[in-house]
Amino acid sequence: GEDVEQSLFLSVREGDSSVINCTYTDSSSTYLYWYKQEPGAGLQLLTYIFSNMDMKQDQRLTVLLNKKDKHLSLRIADTQTGDSAIYFCAESPLNQAGTALIFGKGTTLSVSS
Amino acid sequence: DAGVTQSPTHLIKTRGQQVTLRCSPKSGHDTVSWYQQALGQGPQFIFQYYEEEERQRGNFPDRFSGHQFPNYSSELNVNALLLGDSALYLCASSFYPSGGNEQFFGPGTRLTVL
Repeated sequence: GEDVEQSLFLSVREGDSSVINCTYTDSSSTYLYWYKQEPGAGLQLLTYIFSNMDMKQDQRLTVLLNKKDKHLSLRIADTQTGDSAIYFCAESPLNQAGTALIFGKGTTLSVSS
Repeated sequence: DAGVTQSPTHLIKTRGQQVTLRCSPKSGHDTVSWYQQALGQGPQFIFQYYEEEERQRGNFPDRFSGHQFPNYSSELNVNALLLGDSALYLCASSFYPSGGNEQFFGPGTRLTVL
């Protein structure tokens, strides 16, 4: 079945790197995503990676994908207090009909100064 | 360029009532997906509309129905509301076919059922 799992909470100090981990189950997923949600807001697409890639870097964000272990991680360099939010990992299982996203429960990132 | 917009922002209903939520997609997008996000949970896929038809549906009862209009905007209808329907309802738009299936979300409608 489809399931995405994430650790629930991560606490870091300002300036440190943050690493948020995720495991997914559907090997047919061609794309994997990271979204950010701030309190009371919708979801902001941060980045995504194609399943035939191992790594993708976008400014302070680095995504690593281990397809064999179905493990995805998001590294935020030089974490700032403005990065405090909930981060969701999502997969897009291959489906002839549509392109639904399957989300994890989210990791709350708390950044202290 | 306006992003995804949703209305209303908040809504309070009582059990048994019916509700309609609205979504306008990002300019250039033709596909609308709806998600339900309960407190402390990740979004759960409800259904997706493309070319005015429901093309994929998640594990939600028939009380949840939708519609897409020729201008690509969409409505989500929920009948016979239950307390458990209280949640943030998120609309996401995308362009099909899109290599990355990038879905862009609106701010959501917070539904409270009393």
